[in-house]
Amino acid sequence: GQNIDQPTEMTATEGAIVQINCTYQTSGFNGLFWYQQHAGEAPTFLSYNVLDGLEEKGRFSSFLSRSKGYSYLLLKELQMKDSASYLCAVNSGYSTLTFGKGTMLLVSP
Amino acid sequence: EPEVTQTPSHQVTQMGQEVILRCVPISNHLYFYWYRQILGQKVEFLVSFYNNEISEKSEIFDDQFSVERPDGSNFTLKIRSTKLEDSAMYFCASSSRDSNQETQYFGPGTRLLVL
Repeated sequence: GQNIDQPTEMTATEGAIVQINCTYQTSGFNGLFWYQQHAGEAPTFLSYNVLDGLEEKGRFSSFLSRSKGYSYLLLKELQMKDSASYLCAVNSGYSTLTFGKGTMLLVSP
Repeated sequence: EPEVTQTPSHQVTQMGQEVILRCVPISNHLYFYWYRQILGQKVEFLVSFYNNEISEKSEIFDDQFSVERPDGSNFTLKIRSTKLEDSAMYFCASSSRDSNQETQYFGPGTRLLVL
């Protein structure tokens, strides 16, 4: 089976740094995606990792350790508009994505 | 920037009725997907489609569901006889290659309410 775990909620302050963790156990692995989803809207792509290490893209970075079945999304210089749900999704070797339940991030002033 | 579009944005229907949800994937993409998200729950895969046939489907995608690419631009999801539990947000996505090599881009969704 496929299992993807991430915290349900996190809070942080504007300007701060926050790390959202994701652990996964899947039957196969062909990459891990992070998406951002505002309430009532579509998921929007943030990052993709298939090899171990850190991928940096502006204020957002994502890290992957395949041996540990672990990833994190790092958000720097938080802004109010970063308040959203962050979805960890794994491609387990077929043409599908398996999503975690998402981490709701609330950024306060 | 090219994007996936979906119509309608909202659909209300009576239980037992048929609904068709429409999607226009990004124009040079070859792989198409439908996902659903029940309110407050996670995004769930329904079906993937390539070269005019289903590549993969989940156990949610039973005989009540079907997909079609009726022309060169549209990709549709049909639910033959809707049930109350079909109420959800339905997202279409597309990618230029199989998703294990390429990012899937999501449309804005159709919110389906079955009464």
